[in-house]
Amino acid sequence: DVKVTQSSRYLVKRTGEKVFLECVQDMDHENMFWYRQDPGLGLRLIYFSYDVKMKEKGDIPEGYSVSREKKERFSLILESASTNQTSMYLCASSLTGLNTEAFFGQGTRLTVV
Amino acid sequence: GENVEQHPSTLSVQEGDSAVIKCTYSDSASNYFPWYKQELGKGPQLIIDIRSNVGEKKDQRIAVTLNKTAKHFSLHITETQPEDSAVYFCAASPDTDKLIFGTGTRLQVFP
Repeated sequence: DVKVTQSSRYLVKRTGEKVFLECVQDMDHENMFWYRQDPGLGLRLIYFSYDVKMKEKGDIPEGYSVSREKKERFSLILESASTNQTSMYLCASSLTGLNTEAFFGQGTRLTVV
Repeated sequence: GENVEQHPSTLSVQEGDSAVIKCTYSDSASNYFPWYKQELGKGPQLIIDIRSNVGEKKDQRIAVTLNKTAKHFSLHITETQPEDSAVYFCAASPDTDKLIFGTGTRLQVFP
């Protein structure tokens, strides 16, 4: 059974903290994505990685960075968390090319207080 | 860049009725249009997709139609059941690897 696993279901962090959201996939997929989900705004792409150490900005990269040192792991980093980054974060992975299915993790609900 | 609009934002239907969700996209280069279903507490899951060389695709009670000229595509669910209640997202792919999602539709099916 294919799997994308996000390290935490719920996180509460303080304003100004550095926050790491971790995602691991076991399908040997080249592509990995971080999306942010907010009511009424749908899923917005933060960052996309198409290979190890390769990344591309999505639609809302401000305030975020990413790291992909190994093929199976993609980390989202909030350098200095702010309250407007309180949201549901979804990680996904897919095979490269030819528009294949994206598999999502269960999501991490982050609250910044 | 690609922009995907989705309507309605909420949809309530009686069990057994049909439900239709509509999306429009802006980038004529987009050629892949998947639909995802998100149940409570879970990540979205692919339920059906269509490519630009096809006008319609069916899978049991669900179907998707695509009008490339008008840049819109729709999801049709027939004979709705309570387990169809979820949030549905359309998406368009402006290149082979990226997906741009719509804003989602919360479907409620009442017994």
